Amino acid sequence: KNEVEQSPQNLTAQEGEFITINCSYSVGISALHWLQQHPGGGIVSLFMLSSGKKKHGRLIATINIQEKHSSLHITASHPRDSAVYICAVKVDKLIFGTGTRLQVFP
Amino acid sequence: EPEVTQTPSHQVTQMGQEVILRCVPISNHLYFYWYRQILGQKVEFLVSFYNNEISEKSEIFDDQFSVERPDGSNFTLKIRSTKLEDSAMYFCASGVSGELFFGEGSRLTVL
Repeated sequence: KNEVEQSPQNLTAQEGEFITINCSYSVGISALHWLQQHPGGGIVSLFMLSSGKKKHGRLIATINIQEKHSSLHITASHPRDSAVYICAVKVDKLIFGTGTRLQVFP
Repeated sequence: EPEVTQTPSHQVTQMGQEVILRCVPISNHLYFYWYRQILGQKVEFLVSFYNNEISEKSEIFDDQFSVERPDGSNFTLKIRSTKLEDSAMYFCASGVSGELFFGEGSRLTVL
């Protein structure tokens, strides 16, 4: 069983749509990271969360520690948001999800 | 804005050769990491490094691999006697206070 599960695996959206990507995990964690992987392969850290909610521009990340669940929301999506979004949980090391591939069409 | 830099961006090598991947972490960071992503698969943790020694390593990180911080700035991953299955993207990351900053990755192709 995967310790980190993301859904959906693939997501297409029209520009302007509100996007939600979900992450569930089965282990006790000290923090959760949301990462963005560009088509060229590079990884950018978006958020690190241990509780509550964080917002940066059009991106919002929430975490519910009791339910072992986190969501990443993108408001007013844009084609440049097209990427793979990865959830990773911090145990003694980082354990990564398989990612959600998002494509936003104009 | 400070960034983690990795070289080379792409290396092609013959099976059995030794490869060194280099990383320059952000200067005031204390924690350093190497991760690997085989094509089409998820990112996997290899090793973490703190205070000039390995703090954690995965089962993947066997005797074929080693890490060094030779001069206080560079952080290297050495892969001895490369195998076909070592072909992957290797990411370096550095961090402070739990935040992580990734490099752009080094793509290794073993022929």
